[in-house]
Amino acid sequence: AQSVTQLGSHVSVSEGALVLLRCNYSSSVPPYLFWYVQYPNQGLQLLLKYTTGATLVKGINGFEAEFKKSETSFHLTKPSAHMSDAAEYFCAVSDRGNQGGKLIFGQGTELSVKP
Amino acid sequence: DTGVSQNPRHKITKRGQNVTFRCDPISEHNRLYWYRQTLGQGPEFLTYFQNEAQLEKSRLLSDRFSAERPKGSFSTLEIQRTEQGDSAMYLCASSVSGVTYEQYFGPGTRLTVT
Repeated sequence: AQSVTQLGSHVSVSEGALVLLRCNYSSSVPPYLFWYVQYPNQGLQLLLKYTTGATLVKGINGFEAEFKKSETSFHLTKPSAHMSDAAEYFCAVSDRGNQGGKLIFGQGTELSVKP
Repeated sequence: DTGVSQNPRHKITKRGQNVTFRCDPISEHNRLYWYRQTLGQGPEFLTYFQNEAQLEKSRLLSDRFSAERPKGSFSTLEIQRTEQGDSAMYLCASSVSGVTYEQYFGPGTRLTVT
């Protein structure tokens, strides 16, 4: 069964510092890959996705992620953190064989941004 | 495009009562998903529909849970004989199969069972 591991349940950075949130998946066939953000008491908002093509994908709010097949990773980065980036971030995968289908989520990483 | 909507946003019920939640997907989205999220965890898949057909159900979906999407548009999720362990955020999402792959989420329904 597919699984997603997010290293670090809590990450704290200073405003203006680099943000790096880690995500690894376990699948013999690379899945579709997603990062979602969740603000308190709200649903999930899509940040970016990788389905095919260029392995470095850019998303909203200055975030980007790179798919590395050899490392089964899809880490999320942002060059300069902003206070408004404080939220919960979820990495998710879905099966290519089913045109997408259900999402399998990691346990989430809470990002704190210090002034 | 009004996004995915869910009603109610909050529900407090006593143990043993039945509850029903509604999800209205983005129009023209043929797939609709239900997830459950407990505090500090990622969402867990419950079930999904393609048009009217329920294509997959998680083992998490006990026989007290039932979901329908009768006309391929809105969906309802019913929990019978609620238990305290059912307290969670119930999220609905929709997508277009074979086109975009990402899912668009609603704001969720927070259920508290007392």
